[in-house]
Amino acid sequence: IAGITQAPTSQILAAGRRMTLRCTQDMRHNAMYWYRQDLGLGLRLIHYSNTAGTTGKGEVPDGYSVSRANTDDFPLTLASAVPSQTSVYFCASSEGVTGELFFGEGSRLTVL
Amino acid sequence: AQSVTQLDSQVPVFEEAPVELRCNYSSSVSVYLFWYVQYPNQGLQLLLKYLSGSTLVKGINGFEAEFNKSQTSFHLRKPSVHISDTAEYFCAVSEKTSYDKVIFGPGTSLSVIP
Repeated sequence: IAGITQAPTSQILAAGRRMTLRCTQDMRHNAMYWYRQDLGLGLRLIHYSNTAGTTGKGEVPDGYSVSRANTDDFPLTLASAVPSQTSVYFCASSEGVTGELFFGEGSRLTVL
Repeated sequence: AQSVTQLDSQVPVFEEAPVELRCNYSSSVSVYLFWYVQYPNQGLQLLLKYLSGSTLVKGINGFEAEFNKSQTSFHLRKPSVHISDTAEYFCAVSEKTSYDKVIFGPGTSLSVIP
């Protein structure tokens, strides 16, 4: 069972470029999330989706956008990357009852 | 809005010694509580969770945590740690009325010394 698959695993990007981080799950979970992890700050919620067709903003949504066209996919887009978006990004899903999360392996993004 | 505090950013402990990682939360409504573990260069995985019922919950790898509603705490304990327990540990909370927003603490780095 694959669970959550993220791509790419690592990327170096020039400032101002557009970037999409991909996330796919095979657990048929309704809820999906994007977090960023920064040293000393833990994980901060960027965007979330309770079900296909709906999305919501988390703690740090500025500069990011998401879409949820179907249950399995939840891509995160940086329209114009800035150095402060250098981070490790984690996609997660949940069955939606208690908030228990299942995580991908992460995507390490460096913006120069 | 809920928040999570982990009082210790780094905890060094000798192998086979006991350890306690502290977590406090604030919320105006009832919550679900979680501990996740992150090994180097990996994603997070669930260690244990408190949903309801007994306030002492047991998780994987010999860890346990106790929910204390009056102190709004959910401290993680293990009576005897191993080298393999070296990892980052995150406490997290979701509100029962709004489970779609899971908030994490800043994490505690546990280093087990041989």
